[in-house]
Amino acid sequence: DIVMTQTPLSLPVTPGQPASISCRSSQSLLHSDGKTYLHWFLQKPGQPPQLVIYEVSNRFSGVPDRFSGSGSGTDFTLKISRVEAEDVGVYYCMQGLEAPRTFGGGTEVEIK
Amino acid sequence: EVQLVESGGGLVQPGQSLRLSCAASGLTFSSYWMCWVRQGPGKGLAWVALINADGTSTYYADSVKGRFTISRDNAKDTLYLQMNNVRAEDMGVYYCARDFAWGRSDYWGQGAPVIVSS
Repeated sequence: DIVMTQTPLSLPVTPGQPASISCRSSQSLLHSDGKTYLHWFLQKPGQPPQLVIYEVSNRFSGVPDRFSGSGSGTDFTLKISRVEAEDVGVYYCMQGLEAPRTFGGGTEVEIK
Repeated sequence: EVQLVESGGGLVQPGQSLRLSCAASGLTFSSYWMCWVRQGPGKGLAWVALINADGTSTYYADSVKGRFTISRDNAKDTLYLQMNNVRAEDMGVYYCARDFAWGRSDYWGQGAPVIVSS
């Protein structure tokens, strides 16, 4: 199975400041079709997960443009350019290249 | 509007069985792969199972393989998770989600709680 590793575990951020989360996979997530199947989810307190970024860098419908994703192969980053209070929660990366799908352990973003 | 509504959660004794359902609306259910994801108390997300659009292919996490069965009834727009020989570590909230393509789970249900206790 592909192992997904996220850092940091916790990320206190001052509103208006940037935030960055890293995700590393144990093998390349690049498919032969040229796409890389790495997605980012946010789980706000008391809510189900919601898709934020799909295929490394594509914002899902309704996601503010302060969110961006980058990376390739085995190393990926989710960035929030200016954190807002509504961005708090746990962020998870997930690989969709193979079944079983696997999630990273999560990064909790909190407001300082 | 796409809606996924889980049901069937509750209290189950270790070793017993439980069946979760996920009723879908607002989408052409039969066209999409679907999955189950769970979250143990105070823990992160854990992918459980995946089924293709016509139900002919299924995939499982190692932790549930041989005990859980994912299935679907496209005539009823409903996804199922049959949980057999339930263990304490299976306790948590179970979410169904549409796997739009290659793990892009874009719609999620609110979750069904499963409590394992004797």
